[in-house]
Amino acid sequence: ETGVTQSPTHLIKTRGQQVTLRCSSQSGHNTVSWYQQALGQGPQFIFQYYREEENGRGNFPPRFSGLQFPNYSSELNVNALELDDSALYLCASSLAGLAGVTGELFFGEGSRLTVL
Amino acid sequence: AQTVTQSQPEMSVQEAETVTLSCTYDTSESDYYLFWYKQPPSRQMILVIRQEAYKQQNATENRFSVNFQKAAKSFSLKISDSQLGDAAMYFCAYRSATDSWGKLQFGAGTQVVVTP
Repeated sequence: ETGVTQSPTHLIKTRGQQVTLRCSSQSGHNTVSWYQQALGQGPQFIFQYYREEENGRGNFPPRFSGLQFPNYSSELNVNALELDDSALYLCASSLAGLAGVTGELFFGEGSRLTVL
Repeated sequence: AQTVTQSQPEMSVQEAETVTLSCTYDTSESDYYLFWYKQPPSRQMILVIRQEAYKQQNATENRFSVNFQKAAKSFSLKISDSQLGDAAMYFCAYRSATDSWGKLQFGAGTQVVVTP
């Protein structure tokens, strides 16, 4: 059973550029959530996808968008990058229903984004 | 909106000793879930223990146990017989029973340092 994998692990962008981060969910999981973790802080919920539809969103502007594919892999896209977007981006997968009871999310190791 | 507060930025403990991490939360809901996650230097968040608010009995997982005080909105984590591998950042998290499955509200974290 493979775990949650994310790519790339590190990347550097400049202000105003666009970035795409990728996540491959744990086998059998149909729900993916994305979090932003700024340095020295706890993760902040960006949004969640279930069956290819966004079904929950945190306090993030529309330039943060996502996709979930039929194989349950996912992308996080951020447009018009700002310096404050520098953070660790975590992807977490779960099985709908299971998480509703236990809330157990399975996290990847994250993508470290630096915006210059 | 719910908030989760971890007032201890860092806690130090000797091997084989016990350490307790504090967490308080603010909510007007009666049904919710609470979690402790561990984030080692590898960055991957790992579930340590979970507690359903409707259960009065405190959860226990091997050397990890919680003290859940619903009226006081307190959820502390006790690590017994500390081991070097316990060194990590520990996050307290809250999830509403009515919210998206993957939407957790995290605290700012407590760094646990284990000394030989």
